[in-house]
Amino acid sequence: DGGITQSPKYLFRKEGQNVTLSCEQNLNHDAMYWYRQDPGQGLRLIYYSQIVNDFQKGDIAEGYSVSREKKESFPLTVTSAQKNPTAFYLCASTTGNEQYFGPGTRLTVT
Amino acid sequence: QKEVEQNSGPLSVPEGAIASLNCTYSDRGSQSFFWYRQYSGKSPELIMSIYSNGDKEDGRFTAQLNKASQYVSLLIRDSQPSDSATYLCAVNRGSARQLTFGSGTQLTVLP
Repeated sequence: DGGITQSPKYLFRKEGQNVTLSCEQNLNHDAMYWYRQDPGQGLRLIYYSQIVNDFQKGDIAEGYSVSREKKESFPLTVTSAQKNPTAFYLCASTTGNEQYFGPGTRLTVT
Repeated sequence: QKEVEQNSGPLSVPEGAIASLNCTYSDRGSQSFFWYRQYSGKSPELIMSIYSNGDKEDGRFTAQLNKASQYVSLLIRDSQPSDSATYLCAVNRGSARQLTFGSGTQLTVLP
């Protein structure tokens, strides 16, 4: 099956801990994106990558880091510097104009 | 002014009626426009894309684009209870195909 997978579906962490969210796609898409969604709000862009070994900050990159060592994978690390990390995190990919989303990871930090 | 604005709703329509969702955007250079449907607790699902002025129909969905007035709309004909969801409008920006999203309109179709 082709698609975008994100793991885990739910993640719980204590404040002060870094956590890494996984995003994998087997669609051969070149560009990948990370968004966060807070309750009742739209999606906000965290980081994006158009090619392997290259990525750019989005609108709310502070407290996050990414890597793009393989075309298929674009993991997101939520660091302890992120002030309000509890949110729904969505990974997307595209090879044209249309972005498709993975199922998301719901992160809760207490 | 927000870059992409949608009425937050909630919007309620009876089953079988036409649901009309609207979106305005601020960047006149935007070229690509998208509607996503998001069920509660799930990720967004792309349902329509539109790139040129006018109407684009796909089954019960019609997207309408007016670049001069900077608005995009989505019509859902013969609305079904299964259409109850939040509808997100997204507009492209930048050369890396980044999207800016509105905050979404919550639609409820009443049986």
